[in-house]
Amino acid sequence: DAGVTQSPTHLIKTRGQQVTLRCSPKSGHDTVSWYQQALGQGPQFIFQYYEEEERQRGNFPDRFSGHQFPNYSSELNVNALLLGDSALYLCASSSSHGSWGYTFGSGTRLTVV
Amino acid sequence: DAKTTQPTSMDCAEGRAANLPCNHSTISGNEYVYWYRQIHSQGPQYIIHGLKNNETNEMASLIITEDRKSSTLILPHATLRDTAVYYCIVRVERSGNTGKLIFGQGTTLQVKP
Repeated sequence: DAGVTQSPTHLIKTRGQQVTLRCSPKSGHDTVSWYQQALGQGPQFIFQYYEEEERQRGNFPDRFSGHQFPNYSSELNVNALLLGDSALYLCASSSSHGSWGYTFGSGTRLTVV
Repeated sequence: DAKTTQPTSMDCAEGRAANLPCNHSTISGNEYVYWYRQIHSQGPQYIIHGLKNNETNEMASLIITEDRKSSTLILPHATLRDTAVYYCIVRVERSGNTGKLIFGQGTTLQVKP
């Protein structure tokens, strides 16, 4: 049973560039949430997607955007990268019905230089 | 902001019980206590959750005080593989698994041989 799959695992970008991170949810899950985790900190909620729409958003600027596809997979886009965007980006999937549970992927480590 | 307070770090001897405390003095009546852990370079992993009764599963036990203002996660026989950051989170459980998880700094548990 595949869990949450994120790609790529590591990424190095230059300040000012744009980046796209991808997430495939766990089988049976239809809701995807994205989190940013800076070094030494707990994960911070970015936004959540359900039925291809952004349902909730954390305190992140508009440079952070996302998308959910009909197959429930999701992308996180970050424009105009700043050095401070360097972090581990985590995707968590869940089901809009049935039992409770969030399943996290192993994340994408983004380094902005 | 996180609604929980945890010690920054704890040590535990291998084979002994690890008791991780969490304060959540402002918890509401409909909020559950959840525990996740994050092993280095991996995504957070669900451990256990509860409302007011003590809970036990194959990984751990959760003891919630009668006034629900604090709780303790117990790993009965800690192993080196239990070395991780442990997060205590409170949130409302609702159908649809919507909503965000608000992580604090967590407790870094170091299990020593």
